[in-house]
Amino acid sequence: AIQMTQSPSSLSASIGDRVSITCLASQVIRNHLGWCQQKTGKAPKLLISGASTLQNGVPSRFSGSGSGTNFTLTITSLQPEDFATYYCLQDYLDPYTFGQGTKLGMK
Amino acid sequence: QGQLVQSGAEVKKPGSSVKVSCKASGGTFGNYAINWVRQAPGQGLEWMGGITPILGAANYAQKFQDRVTITADESTTTAYMELRSLTSEDTAVFYCATSLGIAADWFYWGPGTLVTVSS
Repeated sequence: AIQMTQSPSSLSASIGDRVSITCLASQVIRNHLGWCQQKTGKAPKLLISGASTLQNGVPSRFSGSGSGTNFTLTITSLQPEDFATYYCLQDYLDPYTFGQGTKLGMK
Repeated sequence: QGQLVQSGAEVKKPGSSVKVSCKASGGTFGNYAINWVRQAPGQGLEWMGGITPILGAANYAQKFQDRVTITADESTTTAYMELRSLTSEDTAVFYCATSLGIAADWFYWGPGTLVTVSS
């Protein structure tokens, strides 16, 4: 199975900060990479698909980049509602696999 | 606008089975994969398997291969995930996720179904 290594596992930041989360795939997955946001007690929400395509309704301060094995989620100018856990997901080959998650907390 | 509605929380005894449903509305059911994801308390997301209803056959993660069955009923636009031989380690929230043909894969998520396994 393709392993998704996500880092960091946790991150503290302040309102207005720029943060980046990375995901490294154990093999090439082209651009079959999504980023999800999950708030406590809620279902995950897809932010980005195809490594860089922002989903409808997702603020433009979120962006995704990368292809092949290295991917990055960047959030510019953090807002209070952005403090959550973020997961990457590869759906290039099954079994589909998620990163371990990055918990973004307030500094 | 698509939507997924899941069945309610369940409490099960060890060794028993649970069947969780996921009803889709507002999009095209049948042509697009429906995935099931497990999340144990305080843990990450884990893909269990998925099905494209029009194709019929499901794919499963090897970890669950022997005790999970995923099915879909196009007439009711509902997918099902049955997990057998439950243990306390299966206590988790189970989510379904799909595109409904009107958004990217994984765009629509159900609210989750909490399954508690306890004697």
